[in-house]
Amino acid sequence: GAVVSQHPSWVICKSGTSVKIECRSLDFQATTMFWYRQFPKQSLMLMATSNEGSKATYEQGVEKDKFLINHASLTLSTLTVTSAHPEDSSFYICSARDRQYEAFFGQGTRLTVV
Amino acid sequence: SQQGEEDPQALSIQEGENATMNCSYKTSINNLQWYRQNSGRGLVHLILIRSNEREKHSGRLRVTLDTSKKSSSLLITASRAADTASYFCATRNTGGFKTIFGAGTRLFVKA
Repeated sequence: GAVVSQHPSWVICKSGTSVKIECRSLDFQATTMFWYRQFPKQSLMLMATSNEGSKATYEQGVEKDKFLINHASLTLSTLTVTSAHPEDSSFYICSARDRQYEAFFGQGTRLTVV
Repeated sequence: SQQGEEDPQALSIQEGENATMNCSYKTSINNLQWYRQNSGRGLVHLILIRSNEREKHSGRLRVTLDTSKKSSSLLITASRAADTASYFCATRNTGGFKTIFGAGTRLFVKA
């Protein structure tokens, strides 16, 4: 099956700093990628849809200036959490959609802001 | 926003018993998928059932889909302690491309 690689798998950062998370489709081109956030003991909440070469579409309630998404190529999307605060600590998961419109998920990134 | 609701929220059973989890959704779908997630880990894709299918099997897993009721169930037979995890249903709407997750069921299988 298709492989989506997410990096890093975990990161600890200080409050006020920015953190970048990468999502790569390794063996297919993904015109669309998705970013999810999961708080402890909760489900995955869709944050935004990332389209190659255009601006991301954010779900209601997600601050686009805080969660910067860049999808510069057909195999890479990045999520940057800017000016991170402890409440941004969460598990972030990306997925990439192939030409058959199926979504494949990365292994997730655990962000801890201290 | 989340589309699916799942019940039960948590389920505790003995090893060897069967576990049934249910998922309901709100709109027409192309397909419905079930995922497993061990604590703090990534998602493991279990099974996909398309909107024109009613039942699907994979090993100890049996998934049903009732589009008239907008619901699906996941049955795990002869459960094992290693099946302890959270299980999520996820749907892709007809004509859409977002995958939306249900609230999830936390399954505990006691040895």
